[in-house]
Amino acid sequence: GAGVSQSPSNKVTEKGKDVELRCDPISGHTALYWYRQSLGQGLEFLIYFQGNSAPDKSGLPSDRFSAERTGGSVSTLTIQRTQQEDSAVYLCASSLGNRFGTEAFFGQGTRLTVV
Amino acid sequence: DAKTTQPPSMDCAEGRAANLPCNHSTISGNEYVYWYRQIHSQGPQYIIHGLKNNETNEMASLIITEDRKSSTLILPHATLRDTAVYYCIVSLMTTDSWGKFQFGAGTQVVVTP
Repeated sequence: GAGVSQSPSNKVTEKGKDVELRCDPISGHTALYWYRQSLGQGLEFLIYFQGNSAPDKSGLPSDRFSAERTGGSVSTLTIQRTQQEDSAVYLCASSLGNRFGTEAFFGQGTRLTVV
Repeated sequence: DAKTTQPPSMDCAEGRAANLPCNHSTISGNEYVYWYRQIHSQGPQYIIHGLKNNETNEMASLIITEDRKSSTLILPHATLRDTAVYYCIVSLMTTDSWGKFQFGAGTQVVVTP
């Protein structure tokens, strides 16, 4: 596609349920990142995938959060046993990670509301 | 990555130039300065980046001081659609650090008619 695509755009879930958020990066982009943005806050880095290397998970806030990237393309962020503090906009971005001067392109985000 | 300091907000009149400052006094020699903006309810959008030299593209100009401890993003003719939060970020160019942008609070720019 022309840009980074995220689905769903909105998700309301009950506390304790698991959710999966999907990201389709720009074709050919080797790097993919997940961020989250709580209401009125800046972006918080979660996880970073680069090619076939092991992902950098240093930003994941707890072991309830996990992410995978299949075939070097689509990524899924999974939140288990959701809590109200997980409510936020989850943003995905991709870039040509090994290209000098590249920049990241962000998707429109998934707004997660835990009730 | 070096930290950045930006004013929390600024207003700008439509049609005038908007000059957005950013301090990054602890920047290292191989760290780049990036600017992104986030319009309400949208994902962040890349604007421009640079290392030492001033840069210009179709969106903006980036002026970096000689000591590289501060920079200014210039929107030459602000429009109402430029109302957004503007983030200044410094980061290494290596792929290992590329994805870990530290987005601070940014500057809320409001362009008024």
